[in-house]
Amino acid sequence: KAGVTQTPRYLIKTRGQQVTLSCSPISGHRSVSWYQQTPGQGLQFLFEYFSETQRNKGNFPGRFSGRQFSNSRSEMNVSTLELGDSALYLCASSPGLAGIMGYNEQFFGPGTRLTVL
Amino acid sequence: QKEVEQDPGPLSVPEGAIVSLNCTYSNSAFQYFMWYRQYSRKGPELLMYTYSSGNKEDGRFTAQVDKSSKYISLFIRDSQPSDSATYLCALGGTNAGKSTFGDGTTLTVKP
Repeated sequence: KAGVTQTPRYLIKTRGQQVTLSCSPISGHRSVSWYQQTPGQGLQFLFEYFSETQRNKGNFPGRFSGRQFSNSRSEMNVSTLELGDSALYLCASSPGLAGIMGYNEQFFGPGTRLTVL
Repeated sequence: QKEVEQDPGPLSVPEGAIVSLNCTYSNSAFQYFMWYRQYSRKGPELLMYTYSSGNKEDGRFTAQVDKSSKYISLFIRDSQPSDSATYLCALGGTNAGKSTFGDGTTLTVKP
């Protein structure tokens, strides 16, 4: 089974621009979560989508948004980029509901490395 | 104060050593306790998860949870150079889609 794929893998933007990142989850998974990873703040939860609806949201400004399509693929958008948005953006997919073991494991993609100049 | 505090490291040990990685947390509502391993330029991969207090073993890895102290640990026995990576603890509810992560501990195992 193919893993989580993220495109692009690397991106360089300048301040004020906007960017769209894409994530394709594992086939059959209905939940996609996005995380931002930086050396100073670690791995921080951005938002989660399940069946095209935002199910959870982290503490990020409104410049960060996302959406999920009917095929479970997800995109996140960052508008008006700031230098501090430079980070590794990770997407994780999961079945979406707790399984038999009561835990809904998530699988991470390789990430998109965004550099804002 | 962060919800999850992880020993920052970095850690450097000789091959064959026992490694102990630790996290403390403040929110008693967390139900699941996970350990992820992240190699350079890769996304995190789940090593183990536990639900209740106690120990869970998987090969050379043992996860330990003490809910009364809000303390979780990962032990690696007979460490190998291939174990060199960043280890992240994570806590959450039944829905792993929203997990709270520690900052990670970078481990280097020297041959």
